[in-house]
Amino acid sequence: EPEVTQTPSHQVTQMGQEVILRCVPISNHLYFYWYRQILGQKVEFLVSFYNNEISEKSEIFDDQFSVERPDGSNFTLKIRSTKLEDSAMYFCASSLDTEAFFGQGTRLTVV
Amino acid sequence: DQQVKQNSPSLSVQEGRISILNCDYTNSMFDYFLWYKKYPAEGPTFLISISSIKDKNEDGRFTVFLNKSAKHLSLHIVPSQPGDSAVYFCAATRGSNYKLTFGKGTLLTVNP
Repeated sequence: EPEVTQTPSHQVTQMGQEVILRCVPISNHLYFYWYRQILGQKVEFLVSFYNNEISEKSEIFDDQFSVERPDGSNFTLKIRSTKLEDSAMYFCASSLDTEAFFGQGTRLTVV
Repeated sequence: DQQVKQNSPSLSVQEGRISILNCDYTNSMFDYFLWYKKYPAEGPTFLISISSIKDKNEDGRFTVFLNKSAKHLSLHIVPSQPGDSAVYFCAATRGSNYKLTFGKGTLLTVNP
Protein backbone atom coordinates (compact mmCIF):
# COMPACT_ATOMS: atom_id res chain seq x y z
CA GLU A 1 0.00 0.00 0.00
CA PRO A 2 1.40 3.42 -0.91
CA GLU A 3 2.51 5.53 2.01
CA VAL A 4 4.04 8.86 2.88
CA THR A 5 7.59 8.52 4.13
CA GLN A 6 9.49 11.03 6.21
CA THR A 7 13.14 11.32 7.10
CA PRO A 8 14.74 11.59 9.55
CA SER A 9 12.51 10.12 12.22
CA HIS A 10 14.28 12.20 14.86
CA GLN A 11 16.39 15.33 14.49
CA VAL A 12 18.21 17.11 17.27
CA THR A 13 19.58 20.55 16.45
CA GLN A 14 21.14 23.52 18.17
CA MET A 15 19.08 26.66 18.49
CA GLY A 16 19.77 28.96 15.54
CA GLN A 17 20.71 26.15 13.17
CA GLU A 18 18.91 25.33 9.95
CA VAL A 19 17.08 22.05 9.53
CA ILE A 20 15.53 20.38 6.53
CA LEU A 21 12.79 17.84 7.03
CA ARG A 22 12.18 15.54 4.10
CA CYS A 23 9.10 13.80 2.82
CA VAL A 24 8.20 11.56 -0.07
CA PRO A 25 4.45 11.91 -0.68
CA ILE A 26 2.29 9.27 -2.34
CA SER A 27 3.23 9.39 -6.00
CA ASN A 28 -0.07 10.26 -7.68
CA HIS A 29 -1.17 12.78 -5.07
CA LEU A 30 -1.60 16.43 -5.98
CA TYR A 31 -1.76 18.24 -2.65
CA PHE A 32 1.04 18.31 -0.10
CA TYR A 33 1.02 19.57 3.45
CA TRP A 34 3.07 20.08 6.55
CA TYR A 35 1.51 19.92 9.98
CA ARG A 36 3.07 19.96 13.40
CA GLN A 37 2.11 18.79 16.86
CA ILE A 38 3.76 20.31 19.91
CA LEU A 39 3.81 17.85 22.80
CA GLY A 40 0.40 17.68 24.45
CA GLN A 41 -1.26 19.95 21.92
CA LYS A 42 -3.34 19.44 18.82
CA VAL A 43 -2.13 18.86 15.29
CA GLU A 44 -1.72 22.26 13.61
CA PHE A 45 -1.68 23.12 9.94
CA LEU A 46 1.46 24.83 8.68
CA VAL A 47 1.28 24.97 4.90
CA SER A 48 -0.31 23.43 1.84
CA PHE A 49 1.31 23.12 -1.57
CA TYR A 50 -0.37 22.56 -4.91
CA ASN A 51 0.74 22.94 -8.49
CA ASN A 52 4.27 23.84 -7.41
CA GLU A 53 3.32 26.69 -5.17
CA ILE A 54 2.03 27.41 -1.68
CA SER A 55 -1.76 27.44 -1.71
CA GLU A 56 -2.26 28.39 1.92
CA LYS A 57 -0.13 28.96 4.99
CA SER A 58 -0.88 29.51 8.65
CA GLU A 59 0.30 32.29 10.94
CA ILE A 60 2.90 29.87 12.29
CA PHE A 61 4.50 29.61 8.85
CA ASP A 62 6.55 32.79 9.00
CA ASP A 63 9.67 33.82 7.08
CA GLN A 64 11.72 31.23 8.94
CA PHE A 65 9.90 28.46 7.14
CA SER A 66 10.01 27.46 3.51
CA VAL A 67 8.88 24.49 1.45
CA GLU A 68 10.18 23.04 -1.75
CA ARG A 69 9.36 20.29 -4.14
CA PRO A 70 12.79 20.07 -5.77
CA ASP A 71 11.96 17.11 -7.99
CA GLY A 72 9.01 14.91 -8.81
CA SER A 73 9.10 12.97 -5.59
CA ASN A 74 10.45 14.94 -2.61
CA PHE A 75 8.74 17.62 -0.54
CA THR A 76 10.86 19.44 2.03
CA LEU A 77 10.31 21.79 4.93
CA LYS A 78 13.19 24.07 5.86
CA ILE A 79 13.43 25.97 9.11
CA ARG A 80 16.17 28.57 8.72
CA SER A 81 17.02 29.50 12.29
CA THR A 82 15.46 27.11 14.75
CA LYS A 83 14.05 28.25 18.07
CA LEU A 84 13.33 26.23 21.18
CA GLU A 85 9.61 26.54 20.52
CA ASP A 86 10.02 24.83 17.14
CA SER A 87 10.45 21.54 19.02
CA ALA A 88 7.55 19.37 17.89
CA MET A 89 6.50 16.42 15.75
CA TYR A 90 6.33 17.50 12.13
CA PHE A 91 4.01 15.56 9.88
CA CYS A 92 4.00 15.57 6.13
CA ALA A 93 0.78 14.62 4.37
CA SER A 94 -0.48 14.26 0.83
CA SER A 95 -3.86 13.89 -0.80
CA LEU A 96 -5.74 13.62 -4.04
CA ASP A 97 -8.57 15.60 -2.50
CA THR A 98 -10.04 15.70 1.00
CA GLU A 99 -8.57 12.56 2.56
CA ALA A 100 -5.01 13.29 3.55
CA PHE A 101 -2.53 10.53 4.29
CA PHE A 102 0.14 11.26 6.84
CA GLY A 103 3.71 10.16 7.27
CA GLN A 104 5.14 8.81 10.51
CA GLY A 105 6.50 12.19 11.47
CA THR A 106 9.86 13.72 12.32
CA ARG A 107 10.47 14.56 15.95
CA LEU A 108 12.43 17.80 15.99
CA THR A 109 14.19 18.67 19.22
CA VAL A 110 15.85 22.09 19.45
CA VAL A 111 18.38 22.42 22.26
CA ASP B 1 -9.60 29.90 18.08
CA GLN B 2 -10.99 26.39 18.50
CA GLN B 3 -13.06 25.80 15.42
CA VAL B 4 -13.13 22.06 16.07
CA LYS B 5 -13.67 20.90 19.62
CA GLN B 6 -13.38 17.52 21.23
CA ASN B 7 -14.45 18.14 24.78
CA SER B 8 -13.65 14.71 26.17
CA PRO B 9 -9.90 14.23 26.54
CA SER B 10 -10.39 10.55 27.32
CA LEU B 11 -12.89 7.72 27.14
CA SER B 12 -12.72 4.23 28.56
CA VAL B 13 -14.96 1.36 27.39
CA GLN B 14 -15.14 -2.38 27.76
CA GLU B 15 -14.25 -4.66 24.88
CA GLY B 16 -17.33 -5.53 22.84
CA ARG B 17 -19.26 -2.42 23.88
CA ILE B 18 -19.88 0.69 21.82
CA SER B 19 -17.45 3.61 21.83
CA ILE B 20 -18.91 7.01 21.03
CA LEU B 21 -16.52 9.87 20.34
CA ASN B 22 -17.92 13.36 19.97
CA CYS B 23 -16.84 16.45 18.11
CA ASP B 24 -18.33 19.93 17.76
CA TYR B 25 -17.44 22.63 15.29
CA THR B 26 -18.15 26.33 15.04
CA ASN B 27 -17.35 27.17 11.43
CA SER B 28 -20.45 26.63 9.30
CA MET B 29 -18.29 26.80 6.16
CA PHE B 30 -16.80 23.40 6.87
CA ASP B 31 -18.08 20.97 4.27
CA TYR B 32 -16.19 17.77 4.95
CA PHE B 33 -15.34 16.01 8.17
CA LEU B 34 -12.83 13.30 8.90
CA TRP B 35 -11.78 11.06 11.76
CA TYR B 36 -8.18 10.05 12.24
CA LYS B 37 -6.69 7.54 14.64
CA LYS B 38 -3.23 8.05 16.07
CA TYR B 39 -0.96 5.68 17.94
CA PRO B 40 2.04 7.05 19.89
CA ALA B 41 5.07 7.86 17.74
CA GLU B 42 3.06 7.42 14.53
CA GLY B 43 1.29 9.78 12.18
CA PRO B 44 -2.50 10.13 12.09
CA THR B 45 -4.21 7.38 10.11
CA PHE B 46 -7.35 8.18 8.16
CA LEU B 47 -10.36 6.28 9.45
CA ILE B 48 -13.62 7.53 7.98
CA SER B 49 -15.11 10.72 6.57
CA ILE B 50 -18.43 12.36 5.83
CA SER B 51 -19.55 15.08 3.50
CA SER B 52 -21.78 17.85 4.85
CA ILE B 53 -24.53 16.74 2.45
CA LYS B 54 -24.87 13.44 4.32
CA ASP B 55 -25.86 12.62 7.86
CA LYS B 56 -24.34 9.17 8.18
CA ASN B 57 -21.49 7.16 6.76
CA GLU B 58 -20.67 3.62 7.72
CA ASP B 59 -17.58 1.50 7.18
CA GLY B 60 -17.49 -1.81 8.95
CA ARG B 61 -17.39 -1.25 12.70
CA PHE B 62 -17.12 2.51 12.25
CA THR B 63 -20.02 4.89 11.70
CA VAL B 64 -19.88 8.65 11.61
CA PHE B 65 -23.00 10.73 12.23
CA LEU B 66 -23.30 14.39 11.30
CA ASN B 67 -25.87 16.79 12.74
CA LYS B 68 -25.39 20.00 10.80
CA SER B 69 -27.96 22.02 12.68
CA ALA B 70 -26.18 21.25 15.94
CA LYS B 71 -22.71 21.47 14.33
CA HIS B 72 -21.94 18.13 15.89
CA LEU B 73 -20.52 14.87 14.70
CA SER B 74 -19.82 11.59 16.39
CA LEU B 75 -17.87 8.45 15.68
CA HIS B 76 -19.36 5.14 16.78
CA ILE B 77 -17.20 2.07 17.05
CA VAL B 78 -19.03 -1.18 17.62
CA PRO B 79 -17.95 -3.61 18.85
CA SER B 80 -14.91 -1.95 20.39
CA GLN B 81 -11.68 -3.92 20.42
CA PRO B 82 -8.50 -3.46 22.49
CA GLY B 83 -6.64 -2.62 19.25
CA ASP B 84 -8.88 0.42 18.88
CA SER B 85 -7.12 2.02 21.83
CA ALA B 86 -5.56 5.19 20.43
CA VAL B 87 -6.08 8.93 20.21
CA TYR B 88 -8.93 9.86 17.87
CA PHE B 89 -8.89 13.20 16.11
CA CYS B 90 -11.82 14.89 14.51
CA ALA B 91 -10.89 17.14 11.58
CA ALA B 92 -12.75 19.42 9.23
CA THR B 93 -12.06 21.08 5.93
CA ARG B 94 -13.73 23.50 3.58
CA GLY B 95 -13.45 24.34 -0.04
CA SER B 96 -10.87 23.02 -2.42
CA ASN B 97 -7.72 23.70 -0.40
CA TYR B 98 -8.31 20.61 1.80
CA LYS B 99 -6.42 22.07 4.73
CA LEU B 100 -7.47 20.18 7.85
CA THR B 101 -8.45 21.83 11.11
CA PHE B 102 -8.07 19.33 13.94
CA GLY B 103 -9.64 18.96 17.34
CA LYS B 104 -7.44 18.23 20.36
CA GLY B 105 -8.19 14.53 20.27
CA THR B 106 -9.79 11.97 22.57
CA LEU B 107 -7.78 9.12 24.04
CA LEU B 108 -9.85 5.95 23.75
CA THR B 109 -8.96 3.02 25.95
CA VAL B 110 -10.70 -0.28 25.29
CA ASN B 111 -10.31 -2.64 28.22
CA PRO B 112 -10.26 -6.41 27.64
